[in-house]
Amino acid sequence: GAVVSQHPSRVICKSGTSVKIECRSLDFQATTMFWYRQFPKQSLMLMATSNEGSKATYEQGVEKDKFLINHASLTLSTLTVTSAHPEDSSFYICSAPKVARSYNEQFFGPGTRLTVL
Amino acid sequence: GENVEQHPSTLSVQEGDSAVIKCTYSDSASNYFPWYKQELGKRPQLIIDIRSNVGEKKDQRIAVTLNKTAKHFSLHITETQPEDSAVYFCAASLANQAGTALIFGKGTTLSVSS
Repeated sequence: GAVVSQHPSRVICKSGTSVKIECRSLDFQATTMFWYRQFPKQSLMLMATSNEGSKATYEQGVEKDKFLINHASLTLSTLTVTSAHPEDSSFYICSAPKVARSYNEQFFGPGTRLTVL
Repeated sequence: GENVEQHPSTLSVQEGDSAVIKCTYSDSASNYFPWYKQELGKRPQLIIDIRSNVGEKKDQRIAVTLNKTAKHFSLHITETQPEDSAVYFCAASLANQAGTALIFGKGTTLSVSS
């Protein structure tokens, strides 16, 4: 298998502040990583695709200036929630595909629970 | 883009019964269909997956079937146990060398009562 870590696992912040979440592939390189958001009792919704060395691709309806993504190395992608508000409170999960032939299994991080007060 | 529909949203069965969850997808180019089990507050856990060159795959009590023509795939759990209780998600993606994102169904909450 492959391991993806996320940090922090939980964060509580005040409205208006910024929060950075890190996603690391520990034992493989990931040129692409994905960020998902999951509200309570809902599914995982793709927010953006993080590409190493280039700009992220955001899904429709996701504000790129609010959710800043940086993929500076082959093992690290960061998501910064800027000027967070209570409606941004959610479970944020990253994933990285481990590509082999035409089959790429996704490996998920443990998620980050963000609570904005 | 891809859209994945999942039914039912909730499913209650008695221990030992079978459970079936069905999904349909819209993009005929999708070729990789994983199923995940997620417990509260945890990451999704891959339980089984299938690629489009295969019609059926089985792993002990879990099986997945795929009908490419109809663009639907199903998860079958036999001899259910209380520990099978969780939220199950189907997903679809186009598996390639670049790696593409998974598009998830809305999930099915499975409750197995003893």
